[in-house]
Amino acid sequence: DIQMTQSPSSLSASVGDRVTITCRASQSISSYVNWYQHKPGKAPEVLIYGASSLQSGVPSRFSGSGFGTDFTLTISSLQPEDFATYYCQQSYSTPYTFGQGTKLDIK
Amino acid sequence: QLQLVESGGGLVKPGGSLRLSCAASGFTFSDYYMTWIRQAPGKGLEWVSYISHTSTYTNYADSVKGRFTISRDNAKNSLYLQMNSLRAEDTAVFYCARITTPYSQIDYWGQGTLVTVSS
Repeated sequence: DIQMTQSPSSLSASVGDRVTITCRASQSISSYVNWYQHKPGKAPEVLIYGASSLQSGVPSRFSGSGFGTDFTLTISSLQPEDFATYYCQQSYSTPYTFGQGTKLDIK
Repeated sequence: QLQLVESGGGLVKPGGSLRLSCAASGFTFSDYYMTWIRQAPGKGLEWVSYISHTSTYTNYADSVKGRFTISRDNAKNSLYLQMNSLRAEDTAVFYCARITTPYSQIDYWGQGTLVTVSS
């Protein structure tokens, strides 16, 4: 199975901050990485697919980069609605695996 | 608008069975692969299974293989997950979700249904 190691596991930040979350795959997965936002009691939502493509309807302050084993999700200027848990996921091969999650809260 | 609504969750004893359903609307259900994802209390997301458009292909996580069966009825726009031999570690919120191909992102998720396995 491909392991997705996500860091940090938690992060405190302020509105307007630039935030970066990283994900490392245990083997090369090309650009088959997706990023999701999950708020308590709600359905997760995809933000970025194919490592760097912005899902339709997602604000442009979210961006993704990376290829092979190392990937990054960046939020350029945090907004109040961005405080949530973020997950990376590889869709290169089954079993699809997720990172452990990064809980982003207000400093 | 696009909707995925799960049902069938509840409390079941270890060794018991449960069938989850997911009603889809707002899109052409038969055009999409469908998948189940779960989240145990206080834990992260875990992929469970997927099924292809016409049920030709299915795939399962090792943790549920041989115990869970995914199926769909395109005429009813519905996805199912038959869960047998349930264990305490299967306790989770189960999400029904949509994918375009096996390599694509999960582009829409339901709100989830809670399954609790406890005596």
